[in-house]
Amino acid sequence: NAGVMQNPRHLVRRRGQEARLRCSPMKGHSHVYWYRQLPEEGLKFMVYLQKENIIDESGMPKERFSAEFPKEGPSILRIQQVVRGDSAAYFCASSPGTSGRINEQFFGPGTRLTVL
Amino acid sequence: ILNVEQSPQSLHVQEGDSTNFTCSFPSSNFYALHWYRWETAKSPEALFVMTLNGDEKKKGRISATLNTKEGYSYLYIKGSQPEDSATYLCAHGGATNKLIFGTGTLLAVQP
Repeated sequence: NAGVMQNPRHLVRRRGQEARLRCSPMKGHSHVYWYRQLPEEGLKFMVYLQKENIIDESGMPKERFSAEFPKEGPSILRIQQVVRGDSAAYFCASSPGTSGRINEQFFGPGTRLTVL
Repeated sequence: ILNVEQSPQSLHVQEGDSTNFTCSFPSSNFYALHWYRWETAKSPEALFVMTLNGDEKKKGRISATLNTKEGYSYLYIKGSQPEDSATYLCAHGGATNKLIFGTGTLLAVQP
C-alpha cells in the first residue's frame, strides 16, 4: 500500500509563473489536507478537501491560491503568479475520514517550491 | 486561534540517555493530540493520537502521556539511539480536522 505521493518533489518557478503541486492520497483515503512550511517556521494548515468539496480553506491566502480534489485523479494545489514569498515546502496529508475523535493524517514527502 | 508550544526547541543527548519533551496546548475545546516524528527530507511519521485525559501510549522505546485538564503532553524516549535523531512534532487536532502544529523539538543523539 503506497503512501501519500506528491510530485514534483522540487519545483523552481520564476516570479509571475504558475505552480501546480499534485498529491495522490493513500489508497482508500478520501480526505486530503495541504500544509505549508515557510522557512524557519512550523507546519501551517492551508486547506482541507474531500472528493469534489472544499471543507475548510481557512488557512489559504485569499488571492492566487486555489485547491481542488476532483472525483478522479490527484488533489492539486495551484499558485498563480508566484512571488518569492511563496517559496516554501508544501506538504499533503490524507486520512480515511473521521472516525470519532481520531483523525490520523498520513503525510507525503512534500514539494519544495523555489521562486526565483 | 490555538497556540501549540513545544519545549525545548532542541536537545542534544548521548546514546543510551533517556529524554523527554513537552507539548502544551489550550485546555479548552480539546479534541485530540497528535505526535509525529520527522526526519530530514522525509515525511512526518505518525507516532500517536491521544484523545482522553490520562491517555498513555507506547511504541517500542517511545511513549507519550496526555493531560487535557492542564493542557500538556509529554513524549518520552527511553535509551536514546542515534536513529532517534529527528524533529518531534505535536499537533492539536480540532473538530474541523485541521492540525495545528507546534514548532517541534529537534533531538540529536550522539553515539
